Amino acid sequence: GENVEQHPSTLSVQEGDSAVIKCTYSDSASNYFPWYKQELGKGPQLIIDIRSNVGEKKDQRIAVTLNKTAKHFSLHITETQPEDSAVYFCAASLYNNNDMRFGAGTRLTVKP
Amino acid sequence: SQTIHQWPATLVQPVGSPLSLECTVEGTSNPNLYWYRQAAGRGLQLLFYSVGIGQISSEVPQNLSASRPQDRQFILSSKKLLLSDSGFYLCAWSKETYTEAFFGQGTRLTVV
Repeated sequence: GENVEQHPSTLSVQEGDSAVIKCTYSDSASNYFPWYKQELGKGPQLIIDIRSNVGEKKDQRIAVTLNKTAKHFSLHITETQPEDSAVYFCAASLYNNNDMRFGAGTRLTVKP
Repeated sequence: SQTIHQWPATLVQPVGSPLSLECTVEGTSNPNLYWYRQAAGRGLQLLFYSVGIGQISSEVPQNLSASRPQDRQFILSSKKLLLSDSGFYLCAWSKETYTEAFFGQGTRLTVV
């Protein structure tokens, strides 16, 4: 089955700096790659997603890139703010499959 | 609009006691439903998913079971809890495969 690895497990940046979180997946059939943000005591919420037919997607300060050949995808947050502090999860989903495999998560801390 | 309700928010149960966590979805029909477990400092582990009433798929052999008695109701159960069942349990739904999953607020279960 699909295996998703996520790095780093913790990331601390200064407010205004950029943050990058990377994930790799094992099954080349995966074609949907969402990123979720989880605040303390809450369920994860989708912040951005990308499908395998595009290589990059951007939404204001957040962008995701996908390299299908290398089977990795990354989350980029620019001009970080303290409210970006949370745990971020990447995930990969196989076509026509009902489960989504998550990475172990990255705890991002943005220092004011 | 669609909403997902999950309860209780926190639960402390003794070893060997039964468990029942309930999740309901409003505002949509025939959703895919999921139960995830999140251990402390770790990612989301898919436990069960369901594509319809009475249809349950289990991803991990364990002490838990799931049922879907109604279209928008998903229940996670155990006959006898183990210490290792402690964790943060999340219910989620999606309209179709290969789309965004919406998570509930989670239940923090502590088995003592």
